[in-house]
Amino acid sequence: AQKITQTQPGMFVQEKEAVTLDCTYDTSDPSYGLFWYKQPSSGEMIFLIYQGSYDQQNATEGRYSLNFQKARKSANLVISASQLGDSAMYFCAMREGASWGKLQFGAGTQVVVTP
Amino acid sequence: ETGVTQSPTHLIKTRGQQVTLRCSSQSGHNTVSWYQQALGQGPQFIFQYYREEENGRGNFPPRFSGLQFPNYSSELNVNALELDDSALYLCASSGEGTQKDEQYFGPGTRLTVT
Repeated sequence: AQKITQTQPGMFVQEKEAVTLDCTYDTSDPSYGLFWYKQPSSGEMIFLIYQGSYDQQNATEGRYSLNFQKARKSANLVISASQLGDSAMYFCAMREGASWGKLQFGAGTQVVVTP
Repeated sequence: ETGVTQSPTHLIKTRGQQVTLRCSSQSGHNTVSWYQQALGQGPQFIFQYYREEENGRGNFPPRFSGLQFPNYSSELNVNALELDDSALYLCASSGEGTQKDEQYFGPGTRLTVT
């Protein structure tokens, strides 16, 4: 069964606008970590933000924030003030329990930022 | 502090051949994970090495094998290549004891099997 679901295959967003990328997850483990990565066309995965299952507050890293709704099992990424350089594939991923370094990824969302 | 490097960048092999991909971990990281990313999909976890021992494996057949060396660099070996093995292979290194479990990915090796 799919553990990470990203329902938006692609999105267009105008420069300087905010965009929300959806991610839902499925786990019965009370301890887990949620990650967002950016993958430009060059292929390298770039870490953006992390949310632990026990974290009380939503994670923020600069222009990136994670809208964590534990009861709904969702971990949406919000990118504020989009820039042309934000055009890339974005992946949501999960680590279950103590399985450090063993991530399960979603299918990704392609974001294109237009001028 | 050097990042994660992988070699080669691109590789073309014929079905049935064997291939070795290499990964140099970020300085100070003793854990390396390998992922396979088929075109248009998210990465799939292959296996992880921690202090030179395999520490977990995803749903990949035994013809996918690996090694980690004392300097924490790593190899991914694939025997009897199949057309479906064509993918971007990513390695990621991480250190122990960090709550965030942040992994640093290399640029990947793009393997094409013909």
